[in-house]
Amino acid sequence: KQEVTQIPAALSVPEGENLVLNCSFTDSAIYNLQWFRQDPGKGLTSLLLIQSSQREQTSGRLNASLDKSSGRSTLYIAASQPGDSATYLCAGSNTGKLIFGQGTTLQVKP
Amino acid sequence: NAGVMQNPRHLVRRRGQEARLRCSPMKGHSHVYWYRQLPEEGLKFMVYLQKENIIDESGMPKERFSAEFPKEGPSILRIQQVVRGDSAAYFCASIRDSSYNEQFFGPGTRLTVL
Repeated sequence: KQEVTQIPAALSVPEGENLVLNCSFTDSAIYNLQWFRQDPGKGLTSLLLIQSSQREQTSGRLNASLDKSSGRSTLYIAASQPGDSATYLCAGSNTGKLIFGQGTTLQVKP
Repeated sequence: NAGVMQNPRHLVRRRGQEARLRCSPMKGHSHVYWYRQLPEEGLKFMVYLQKENIIDESGMPKERFSAEFPKEGPSILRIQQVVRGDSAAYFCASIRDSSYNEQFFGPGTRLTVL
């Protein structure tokens, strides 16, 4: 049974810092891993999808990596901005349905 | 090019009433997932549907909950005889087809049971 864990649960950084969010999963037979952003009271915005044959994906200041052998994914945010403040969720999929972590709530202070 | 649409955005029901939540997938998408986010908990899978077919309902509570995705029209998640514990945010996500599984989420329906 796939389980997804995210650490830390919360993170506060000053503007401009580079930061890394961590996600671990228990079943290496993961099909793909998706990172999302959720603003308070809002829906989920898909940030990056890494398929099982890929090692990383990049979009703007975001870079996500996937290491199936160690059961880990990281989301790297470069030059953080106050507008990056949100909850970041990772979700793994073995069979289609997504298994979500509890999220990391990020606050970027001006 | 509209994204995934859900309505209503907010729904208030009294205990014992029925709740109907609607989800229209992105244009060209024929598969829909429903997820529930309980207060202070993570998102949990409920059901996966293709048009006119339930593919996986392993996350659905055994009673009072049902889902459908007809040939025409939106997918519907129905909750009968709602209880306070059903208060949550319900999200649907759509995918183009089973070969490419990036899921795009709607804004959610926030159900409050009084």
